Amino acid sequence: DSGVTQTPKHLITATGQRVTLRCSPRSGDLSVYWYQQSLDQGLQFLIQYYNGEERAKGNILERFSAQQFPDLHSELNLSSLELGDSALYFCASSVSPGTGGYNEQFFGPGTRLTVL
Amino acid sequence: AQKITQTQPGMFVQEKEAVTLDCTYDTSDQSYGLFWYKQPSSGEMIFLIYQGSYDEQNATEGRYSLNFQKARKSANLVISASQLGDSAMYFCAMRVGTTGGGNKLTFGTGTQLKVEL
Repeated sequence: DSGVTQTPKHLITATGQRVTLRCSPRSGDLSVYWYQQSLDQGLQFLIQYYNGEERAKGNILERFSAQQFPDLHSELNLSSLELGDSALYFCASSVSPGTGGYNEQFFGPGTRLTVL
Repeated sequence: AQKITQTQPGMFVQEKEAVTLDCTYDTSDQSYGLFWYKQPSSGEMIFLIYQGSYDEQNATEGRYSLNFQKARKSANLVISASQLGDSAMYFCAMRVGTTGGGNKLTFGTGTQLKVEL
């Protein structure tokens, strides 16, 4: 158990809908990351937040948005869902925002999203 | 742009044997980190080992070691004394900094390892 929690574990929805994925980082970690794992694209970095502020952005679609709240949990919002958005969405957390030292990213168990 | 290449889609190894999973990387950054993660069929991502670009010694963590050859831009994972529980997908990843003081991991396509009796 990495200490990162994600809810829900599974989500099934229809095209055109909007969903929210939730992540709570490990105790003491201030940085949260979101990744998407799909058969087509593999594992891709979406976005990073550190203590409530966006710090890095990857290939995140405009239909997707994220935020980190004062209690440090984060939410990833996916809207106007398409079949191709079906994937495993991981949240990860680390202590600091940058590249110094280990700063290992601990991954949550993921949310499996199925768009029908 | 950063890139990680894992050329072995699948590997087989006998139990108790050692196995090497290949990883090459490409970056123009001087400072970067290299990670290996294990993903069992249950789906979670488990951190195995880390190597910093300025580390002179190869990293080791129990049965895992990382063969870091900076000039060749390779970071191969060596698993000694394979166990049935090592059967999983293995991902090599590179961490680089981003403008704005953040960082991100770029992953390879993975190697599916199967340990046989």
